[in-house]
Amino acid sequence: GQQLNQSPQSMFIQEGEDVSMNCTSSSIFNTWLWYKQDPGEGPVLLIALYKAGELTSNGRLTAQFGITRKDSFLNISASIPSDVGIYFCAGPVYYNTDKLIFGTGTRLQVFP
Amino acid sequence: DAGVIQSPRHEVTEMGQEVTLRCKPISGHDYLFWYRQTMMRGLELLIYFNNNVPIDDSGMPEDRFSAKMPNASFSTLKIQPSEPRDSAVYFCASSSPGQGFPYEQYFGPGTRLTVT
Repeated sequence: GQQLNQSPQSMFIQEGEDVSMNCTSSSIFNTWLWYKQDPGEGPVLLIALYKAGELTSNGRLTAQFGITRKDSFLNISASIPSDVGIYFCAGPVYYNTDKLIFGTGTRLQVFP
Repeated sequence: DAGVIQSPRHEVTEMGQEVTLRCKPISGHDYLFWYRQTMMRGLELLIYFNNNVPIDDSGMPEDRFSAKMPNASFSTLKIQPSEPRDSAVYFCASSSPGQGFPYEQYFGPGTRLTVT
């Protein structure tokens, strides 16, 4: 079945550093979504990507839809303590696009 | 507009008891999803509704779980009887594909369930 693998699993960085994470799949996706989950809260949608090659920004966040349609990338520039959380990628299941499959998550810790 | 509302935020119950989780989707959204999140299995879709009708319940773990959506602004997820392995965070999410963003789901704050 479809799976979304995220790397790295966790990151420990210093405030002010840039962050890069990715999401890969063995199958093609026509949409990529990036969510952030703060501790004790539900996932919050950050960015949605609908076209291969698309590059979209949301403040300090930039996400890209990979050309192969099998991957996506999320970058965070100049990290701050409130960037702490778990970042999930997600995409629609091929056989039922009402449903999303979520990646394994990247846990980000930012030290002052 | 208010986001997805879930209640209670925390629930602690004893094994064998009935548990009911509640969700109010974003007004105007016609899709509602129930997820479960655990460390071992991540975010799993349990069931989803379209226009109050259950469409896919293939993720519901067993007959002890049931979900209803009696109207467009309310849904429940019930576990009866509850077991310790049901301990998890349960999320409700809603979406509105007809508004041009087909896959964007918006999550509630979750209910943390502990079954002792």
